[in-house]
Amino acid sequence: KNEVEQSPQNLTAQEGEFITINCSYSVGISALHWLQQHPGGGIVSLFMLSSGKKKHGRLIATINIQEKHSSLHITASHPRDSAVYICAVGDQGAQKLVFGQGTRLTINP
Amino acid sequence: DTGVSQNPRHKITKRGQNVTFRCDPISEHNRLYWYRQTLGQGPEFLTYFQNEAQLEKSRLLSDRFSAERPKGSFSTLEIQRTEQGDSAMYLCASSLAGYSLHFGNGTRLTVT
Repeated sequence: KNEVEQSPQNLTAQEGEFITINCSYSVGISALHWLQQHPGGGIVSLFMLSSGKKKHGRLIATINIQEKHSSLHITASHPRDSAVYICAVGDQGAQKLVFGQGTRLTINP
Repeated sequence: DTGVSQNPRHKITKRGQNVTFRCDPISEHNRLYWYRQTLGQGPEFLTYFQNEAQLEKSRLLSDRFSAERPKGSFSTLEIQRTEQGDSAMYLCASSLAGYSLHFGNGTRLTVT
């Protein structure tokens, strides 16, 4: 069993829909990261959080430390949100991250 | 701030050849990480540096792999005697301690 599990692996939705991507982890962590990867490889850090909830524009990330679970939500989804979203956990000290396998999101117009 | 720069973007090499990749981190970042990503998978940790010191190496990093960060600035990752299984995207990231990582666009290696 992987230390970081994401679901779903693939998600296709229509423009405007509310999107939720889930991440569960089995190791103790100090921080959880949500990352976005577009075709071609570039990875962008969306959130780093260790408790509660963070919001940036249409993106919201939540974490429940006791349940070892995090969610990434996208409101009013748009085709430009199409990408692979990756959850990663790490020790805030070393920041050596363990990554999930990613969720491929496709938003159709 | 020009971001994290990796060169080359693509490298095609024949099995048995040596290859070297370069990563230029964001200038004030003291931490630099190398990850490897194969198709359909999340990145896997290879090694990381704090300034010029290599603090941790994954067991994925066989003896054929070596990484350096002279003077705590740019870093190089060398793979000797490449094998087809080395084909992957090699990602570099940098950060200040305790802050988010910034990733480069990666170097895609194809070993034929």
